[in-house]
Amino acid sequence: NAGVTQTPKFRVLKTGQSMTLLCAQDMNHEYMYWYRQDPGMGLRLIHYSVGEGTTAKGEVPDGYNVSRLKKQNFLLGLESAAPSQTSVYFCAIWTSRGGDFSTEQFFGPGTRLTVL
Amino acid sequence: KQEVTQIPAALSVPEGENLVLNCSFTDSAIYNLQWFRQDPGKGLTSLLLIQSSQREQTSGRLNASLDKSSGRSTLYIAASQPGDSATYLCAGLPSGTYKYIFGTGTRLKVLA
Repeated sequence: NAGVTQTPKFRVLKTGQSMTLLCAQDMNHEYMYWYRQDPGMGLRLIHYSVGEGTTAKGEVPDGYNVSRLKKQNFLLGLESAAPSQTSVYFCAIWTSRGGDFSTEQFFGPGTRLTVL
Repeated sequence: KQEVTQIPAALSVPEGENLVLNCSFTDSAIYNLQWFRQDPGKGLTSLLLIQSSQREQTSGRLNASLDKSSGRSTLYIAASQPGDSATYLCAGLPSGTYKYIFGTGTRLKVLA
């Protein structure tokens, strides 16, 4: 979706290295999410944000940190990468209109991360 | 804990068949439901959104329905084509939350 971009597209890390993934949106949506997708396990929520300056833990938050200093950007950090964090990471955005949550989620193209 | 099951996990059919993919939630209190398509190595593309006040949605050869009383949704694909080959995921928004939950998907292959 052109409204959601992820940087970088691919990355290879060594165990213990750190990195930050960036999700950027131009749709002015309040809610932003980071998921990881692993074979046979579907999409699992790591962290999410319901607005600028807010973050919350999802299903699998350990080993990750996030920040949302600006409404358009949601950063996912790995402080000390581990092989178990090898995955494809997706960012998603969503909004509500006047309290109505009946709107679509949009996904970014993904970041493929390998930790050796 | 709310869980989502998609049946079948994989499906291989000849071109032209009509298909039904199923999605069910352990807790039927679902506010929205969205169906996505994912091609290999790609992101998720939204196909259909069934909003809180709706029971079904249609787009071209696709029709999705949601039975809120049972927490079950079906995606119907008419006259399947090889270009429909992909993984199809359903995602539901439980009432009172900001977090969608996803099924593990149905991997569809349509043979020419």
